[in-house]
Amino acid sequence: NAGVMQNPRHLVRRRGQEARLRCSPMKGHSHVYWYRQLPEEGLKFMVYLQKENIIDESGMPKERFSAEFPKEGPSILRIQQVVRGDSAAYFCASSPTGTLQSTDTQYFGPGTRLTVL
Amino acid sequence: DQQVKQNSPSLSVQEGRISILNCDYTNSMFDYFLWYKKYPAEGPTFLISISSIKDKNEDGRFTVFLNKSAKHLSLHIVPSQPGDSAVYFCAASARYSGAGSYQLTFGKGTKLSVIP
Repeated sequence: NAGVMQNPRHLVRRRGQEARLRCSPMKGHSHVYWYRQLPEEGLKFMVYLQKENIIDESGMPKERFSAEFPKEGPSILRIQQVVRGDSAAYFCASSPTGTLQSTDTQYFGPGTRLTVL
Repeated sequence: DQQVKQNSPSLSVQEGRISILNCDYTNSMFDYFLWYKKYPAEGPTFLISISSIKDKNEDGRFTVFLNKSAKHLSLHIVPSQPGDSAVYFCAASARYSGAGSYQLTFGKGTKLSVIP
């Protein structure tokens, strides 16, 4: 059973470019969460999606960031016009349900490390 | 405003001894707590969790203790092994609070080094 897949693992962008981060959840999981980890910080919630729906984007910056989870294909986190402060590790997690149970915790992917030059 | 705090950035323990990692929280709505382990260049891996209706949960070498009145939890690893060397994150959720019950709030992590 493959785990959560994220690609690319490393992404370098220049200021002003767009960054696209992809996440394929575990098989059977229809709930996807994106978290961001800045250097020396813990992970911070960004957005929660189900297939074709954004459930909660309260942790997303108001501008330049967007997320989707289409009916087919991976979830995408898109950052437009990147700035140096966007440099971070972006983790995707998935779960079979949208609530936390002792057996339904969130399983994390390996992350995408974004570096903005 | 940090709602989950891990005040020790690092901890060194001799192999075979007990490792105790601590975590404090401020949000009284939190009712579910998790510990994740993270190796460099990998995502966090779920270790163990505890609901606020319990004060202890054990899984093999790992035990989590919860003191609700003190808003404090700890992870005990006994005996510690070199392979346990990693960053440990404490996370919390307000599972039964309705909106946002799925959101995990993480501490900054504690780097554990187990010395052979």
